[in-house]
Amino acid sequence: RKEVEQDPGPFNVPEGATVAFNCTYSNSASQSFFWYRQDCRKEPKLLMSVYSSGNEDGRFTAQLNRASQYISLLIRDSKLSDSATYLCVVNEDNTDKLIFGTGTRLQVFP
Amino acid sequence: EPEVTQTPSHQVTQMGQEVILRCVPISNHLYFYWYRQILGQKVEFLVSFYNNEISEKSEIFDDQFSVERPDGSNFTLKIRSTKLEDSAMYFCASSEEGQTYNSPLHFGNGTRLTVT
Repeated sequence: RKEVEQDPGPFNVPEGATVAFNCTYSNSASQSFFWYRQDCRKEPKLLMSVYSSGNEDGRFTAQLNRASQYISLLIRDSKLSDSATYLCVVNEDNTDKLIFGTGTRLQVFP
Repeated sequence: EPEVTQTPSHQVTQMGQEVILRCVPISNHLYFYWYRQILGQKVEFLVSFYNNEISEKSEIFDDQFSVERPDGSNFTLKIRSTKLEDSAMYFCASSEEGQTYNSPLHFGNGTRLTVT
């Protein structure tokens, strides 16, 4: 039973492209949602929290659909430096335990 | 910007040996965590620690694992008798409060444990 499911990719896009990642989660009691970024063999780094009303941070937009238990991340005007694995992360039952998806790999090429 | 630091960056040990992984969380943070990531797999929760005691642990965190905050700055993970399947990247993390939008996790750069 997968708790947080993501398309592993890879998504190969040219610089300047817009790319979207999706994620589904199984626990309807989850209250906190995040997108983390992980570079190869490095630690996860918080990209952005995902709020119920949706939120934007520069080129990044996150959306949450609680009814469908679905989270999305949109990256506009992709940069080479955006190449990384994007992790969808959900807390378990409003606890301190975070559940990570396996990640979606993005490769931006010149 | 303050950061979580972990030592060593790479630890090689023989099966059955004890290892201690060390972490220095961000100084004003109150919640501490260990996560691990087996190569090619997802990040997995091990344990959370608050107010000098374990607040939650996963099924991975069995009797072979223990955590300690021996002084005001260090937070350690001990594996008593390592197994081959303990080989993974171990990440320490801390947060100011519990898991809320206003208090996200800050991860250390990890200790790669290799059990031979």
